Amino acid sequence: QLQLQESGPGLVKPSGTLSLTCSVSGGSVSDGSDFWGWIRQPPGKGLEWISSIHYSGSIYYNPSLRGRVITALDTSKHQFFLNLTSVTDADTAVYYCARQLFTSGWTAWFQHWGQGTQVAVSS
Amino acid sequence: DIMMTQSPDSLAVSLGERATINCKSSQTVSRSSNNKNYLAWYQQKAGQPPKLLIYWAATRESGVPDRFSGSGSGTDFTLTISSLQAEDVAVYYCQQFYSTPWTFGQGTKVEIK
Repeated sequence: QLQLQESGPGLVKPSGTLSLTCSVSGGSVSDGSDFWGWIRQPPGKGLEWISSIHYSGSIYYNPSLRGRVITALDTSKHQFFLNLTSVTDADTAVYYCARQLFTSGWTAWFQHWGQGTQVAVSS
Repeated sequence: DIMMTQSPDSLAVSLGERATINCKSSQTVSRSSNNKNYLAWYQQKAGQPPKLLIYWAATRESGVPDRFSGSGSGTDFTLTISSLQAEDVAVYYCQQFYSTPWTFGQGTKVEIK
């Protein structure tokens, strides 16, 4: 059964860089045509998609964060990564990693989610 | 960006009664070329990640009880819980995958009356 697990610092200083890792087990990040995504949820708020990556190198970013976000993937370690630079209070959130299906020629819904990791931006 | 707006923000329904959640997109998320609706629904219980319920607007994910159903096309979609159970207390989100950036509704909180 596919499992995803986020890891990384729970506290980042303002203007610093938020770095997270998603470890995939029960499957491979280079299996099939699916994408691997990051979504975040500020406290008490809704969901915001951040980025999605395919092992072929295809990457989508949310334009609202473009310029601050880098997503990468390591097939040998079955992991993918999120770097978010120049963080502010507004980046405080629970960050989820998820498998995003590619089906019918379309990058589609988020089928499997990690449990999420809380990241606070504070000095 | 396609904006997704859900209504109501919250609702309280008696056990065994029907719950209906609406989701409206700022532009169509349906394609007439393949007759598909590019919309998914998720359930998020307190302290848990979202769980996929429905995709293509009306197809239930494996293992999802059949009291959950989705409908709609174009810009207007509905998630219906036909007979609310205690374990259905959660926040429900719609998501469009018609175009990037993929966007979610603000969520609808379902409680027991």
